[in-house]
Amino acid sequence: GENVEQHPSTLSVQEGDSAVIKCTYSDSASNYFPWYKQELGKGPQLIIDIRSNVGEKKDQRIAVTLNKTAKHFSLHITETQPEDSAVYFCAASPSNDYKLSFGAGTTVTVRA
Amino acid sequence: DAGVTQSPTHLIKTRGQQVTLRCSPKSGHDTVSWYQQALGQGPQFIFQYYEEEERQRGNFPDRFSGHQFPNYSSELNVNALLLGDSALYLCASSPGGLNTEAFFGQGTRLTVV
Repeated sequence: GENVEQHPSTLSVQEGDSAVIKCTYSDSASNYFPWYKQELGKGPQLIIDIRSNVGEKKDQRIAVTLNKTAKHFSLHITETQPEDSAVYFCAASPSNDYKLSFGAGTTVTVRA
Repeated sequence: DAGVTQSPTHLIKTRGQQVTLRCSPKSGHDTVSWYQQALGQGPQFIFQYYEEEERQRGNFPDRFSGHQFPNYSSELNVNALLLGDSALYLCASSPGGLNTEAFFGQGTRLTVV
């Protein structure tokens, strides 16, 4: 099955700086890659996703890039704000699979 | 438009007991998936229900079972609870099909003592 690895496990950035989280996946059939943000005591919230026919997608301060050849994808948050502090999860899903396989998460702390 | 709702939010059970968790999907969604999230880890897929049938199952024992009702709401049942079943149980709804956007509820925090 699909195996997703996520790095780093923790990330501390100064407010206004950028944050980058990287994930690798194992199944070359994976074609859907969502990112979730989970705040304390809440369920994961979908913040952006990308499909394998696209190399990059941007939504305001958030962008995701995908390298199918290397089987890795990344989340970029620019101009970080204190409300960006949360745990972020990447996930992947093969074209013939209904489930999402998640990474272990990255705890992002934005220092004021 | 209500999002995904789960009940209860917290639950404490004794080892060996049985538990039922409930989920109402987002309006317009007909597919419900259940995930288990242990502390400090990513969610792990338990199973998915579509058209009142279990469509796909993850690597969980038969103690975990589910049901989907005609109104698309769903239940997760866990029998013979173990201490290791303590976790956040998440329900995700989606519009069906492969690789569609999944929206999660706030989860049910289950503690087994």
